[in-house]
Amino acid sequence: DGGITQSPKYLFRKEGQNVTLSCEQNLNHDAMYWYRQDPGQGLRLIYYSQIVNDFQKGDIAEGYSVSREKKESFPLTVTSAQKNPTAFYLCASRTLQGPYNEQFFGPGTRLTVL
Amino acid sequence: QKEVEQNSGPLSVPEGAIASLNCTYSDRGSQSFFWYRQYSGKSPELIMFIYSNGDKEDGRFTAQLNKASQYVSLLIRDSQPSDSATYLCASSWGNDYKLSFGAGTTVTVRA
Repeated sequence: DGGITQSPKYLFRKEGQNVTLSCEQNLNHDAMYWYRQDPGQGLRLIYYSQIVNDFQKGDIAEGYSVSREKKESFPLTVTSAQKNPTAFYLCASRTLQGPYNEQFFGPGTRLTVL
Repeated sequence: QKEVEQNSGPLSVPEGAIASLNCTYSDRGSQSFFWYRQYSGKSPELIMFIYSNGDKEDGRFTAQLNKASQYVSLLIRDSQPSDSATYLCASSWGNDYKLSFGAGTTVTVRA
């Protein structure tokens, strides 16, 4: 089965902790994205990557970090500098073959700060 | 940040009726537009995309694009209870085809 997997499904963080959200895809997509969704709001772009070992900040990158060491993997670390991290985090990927290709989404990770 | 605005809703329609969802975008350079459906607690899934002016039909769904007015819409004909979800409009822009999302419109289909 081709697709995007995210783990864990639910994650609880204590104040001051860093946590890492996993995102893996076997679609052979070049581009990968991380979004944050808050209740009643659309998706906001955190980071994205179009090639291994390169990534770009999105609209709300402060307090987050990423790496892209393999084409298939794009983990997101939520650092203690992110003051309001409770949200639904979505990873997506797409092919770079033209502007009309959709982004496919993983099932998401729901992060809660205790 | 490129702005995408959607009619705020929520939208309640009887089963079998037409649901009409609207979206406007700020960047005239936007190239293509996507409608995603998101069930509560789940991730978005693509319903349709459109990049040319006019209408595009796929089953019970019709997307309409008017680039002069910077307006995109989605019509859901013969609405079913399974259509009850939040619908997200997104525009693609820039050389790296980033997406900007609207806040979504929640649709409830009454049986």
